[in-house]
Amino acid sequence: EDQVTQSPEALRLQEGESSSLNCSYTVSGLRGLFWYRQDPGKGPEFLFTLYSAGEEKEKERLKATLTKKESFLHITAPKPEDSATYLCAAFTGGGNKLTFGTGTQLKVEL
Amino acid sequence: SQTIHQWPATLVQPVGSPLSLECTVEGTSNPNLYWYRQAAGRGLQLLFYSIGIDQISSEVPQNLSASRPQDRQFILSSKKLLLSDSGFYLCAWSVLDSNQPQHFGDGTRLSIL
Repeated sequence: EDQVTQSPEALRLQEGESSSLNCSYTVSGLRGLFWYRQDPGKGPEFLFTLYSAGEEKEKERLKATLTKKESFLHITAPKPEDSATYLCAAFTGGGNKLTFGTGTQLKVEL
Repeated sequence: SQTIHQWPATLVQPVGSPLSLECTVEGTSNPNLYWYRQAAGRGLQLLFYSIGIDQISSEVPQNLSASRPQDRQFILSSKKLLLSDSGFYLCAWSVLDSNQPQHFGDGTRLSIL
């Protein structure tokens, strides 16, 4: 059974304090790894797609990386507006179905 | 550009009442469509997905059903709601037969009393 695990469950950072979120996956035939941001009461917002080990994608203060077993979302010098839940999802084909992790709830404080 | 609309945003229903949640996508044709439920502290659980009109696959046995009467319309229904049907329901779309990401609506918060 495909499985995606995210850690930590919750993370509190001071503004400017860089850190990383982890997404470990055990799936058969990974075709893509997606990162999403979810604000309270809203649907997930797409951030990045990673397709192969070694690939990196960047957007503002966020950088996503991928290995054969896990993905990291690095947050550099975060700001309070980066506070949200970050979800990762593994795509293994077959109807474009995704297996989601339970997310990391990030809070960035002044 | 493509947009996805879900309504209503919030719904409070008594146990045993029927349900109809609607989702429409604009700006694309022949999308894959999905219904998810998200419980607090848990990941998104895929309920149904559809690759075309009247082509619906159910992922988990439950009290809910889905229909796709038009290419860009996806409906989640129930004849009699249970307390356990409470949750946050999300609709999503993706490009058919590709490894492109899914894009989500803003969800419906369903509370059963």
